[in-house]
Amino acid sequence: QVTLKESGPVLVKPTETLTLTCTVSGFSLNNGRMGVGWIRQPPGKALEWLAHIFSNDEKSYSTSLKSRLTISKDTSKSQVVLTMTNMDPVDTATYYCARFDFWSGFAFDYWGQGTLVTVSS
Amino acid sequence: EIVLTQSPGTLSLSPGERATLSCRASQSVSSSYLAWYQQKPGQAPRLLIYAVSSRATGIPDRFSGSGSGTDFTLTISRLEPEDFAVYYCQQYGSSPLRTFGQGTKVEIK
Repeated sequence: QVTLKESGPVLVKPTETLTLTCTVSGFSLNNGRMGVGWIRQPPGKALEWLAHIFSNDEKSYSTSLKSRLTISKDTSKSQVVLTMTNMDPVDTATYYCARFDFWSGFAFDYWGQGTLVTVSS
Repeated sequence: EIVLTQSPGTLSLSPGERATLSCRASQSVSSSYLAWYQQKPGQAPRLLIYAVSSRATGIPDRFSGSGSGTDFTLTISRLEPEDFAVYYCQQYGSSPLRTFGQGTKVEIK
């Protein structure tokens, strides 16, 4: 059974760095043409892709947020970590991690429940 | 930079009716990597369709996807009460590497 779970702070202050962890089970982060991505959703708004990482450690970032994002994985811990620097109130959102797979056309086939992060002083 | 535009913004229909949702890309979608997701309030999105027209595991056959190039459609043949939700299209492969549309809300008329 594939599961993903996000963890991290629920509240961060403006200018701080956000660190989110996605812990996965039911698949390996070393497994073939598979990977994990991060997506966020401000309250009442649309989904926005942030970054993803393949099992071979290939990484990609949103063009608009690239300078603020870093994605990495720890295969031994089955974790994918996203850091976002210089947080602002507009970054308040639910942050999701999700798995993608070549066999699903690289679409996000399994999602975590999401974690709401509020940016406020 | 590719932009996905979904229409209409809101679709008001009755159970049993057919729903047709559109997703238009500002340039051709790479290798037909176009997906559709369903999201209900307070829940994570759920993958419905990948690679334009392939149904994800467990998705009923009343959901179908079609299209090519820049124009894509999600069709729900007969709306069930549980289908009222927000639907997003998403592309993979064109710069930026992934993009979501702004969503279409299917609401009960």
